[in-house]
Amino acid sequence: EAEVAQSPRYKITEKSQAVAFWCDPISGHATLYWYRQILGQGPELLVQFQDESVVDDSQLPKDRFSAERLKGVDSTLKIQPAELGDSAMYLCASSPPGRETQYFGPGTRLLVL
Amino acid sequence: RKEVEQDPGPFNVPEGATVAFNCTYSNSASQSFFWYRQDCRKEPKLLMSVYSSGNEDGRFTAQLNRASQYISLLIRDSKLSDSATYLCVVNVRNDYKLSFGAGTTVTVRA
Repeated sequence: EAEVAQSPRYKITEKSQAVAFWCDPISGHATLYWYRQILGQGPELLVQFQDESVVDDSQLPKDRFSAERLKGVDSTLKIQPAELGDSAMYLCASSPPGRETQYFGPGTRLLVL
Repeated sequence: RKEVEQDPGPFNVPEGATVAFNCTYSNSASQSFFWYRQDCRKEPKLLMSVYSSGNEDGRFTAQLNRASQYISLLIRDSKLSDSATYLCVVNVRNDYKLSFGAGTTVTVRA
């Protein structure tokens, strides 16, 4: 069964450092999502891509976060500089064309010290 | 008001028991509803979609009440493996963006 791949699975960094997360969606899935999930809360959408275009980044803190999906396949989410409050699980999801169901990757657990 | 609200629980139930919980949503025009399951420190996984007429998948039954703007999930004959957080998910504005509740935690004890 095809899966969404994410790396790294865990990342520990110090505040003010830069971090980057990578996601490879299920083949053929045009829509890709990045979510942030804080412990005890549901996932919150950071950015949504349709192919290589950003559809929604209204909740992305653009002063420190950036996301790209240059060739419309895999994607990178970057934080620079990281802050203590960025500690969370970062989840990537994808969905097939015309479908609402989203399939999640295993996530990257970030700890900022 | 949050777009999707859930009772966080926890619901602690013995094996074999039935447990049910609800989720309310803010937009009466929402059309798509889902339940996802999330195990501790894992990613959410689709449990089932929720259809207008209600639907059942094995021991799991989902219902939609449009008049009162809530969906429900019922688990019959609970198993230890049902212990998880259940996320209520709604396409609030019918725009392919999903809004997640904070989750309801269910713990099934032996």
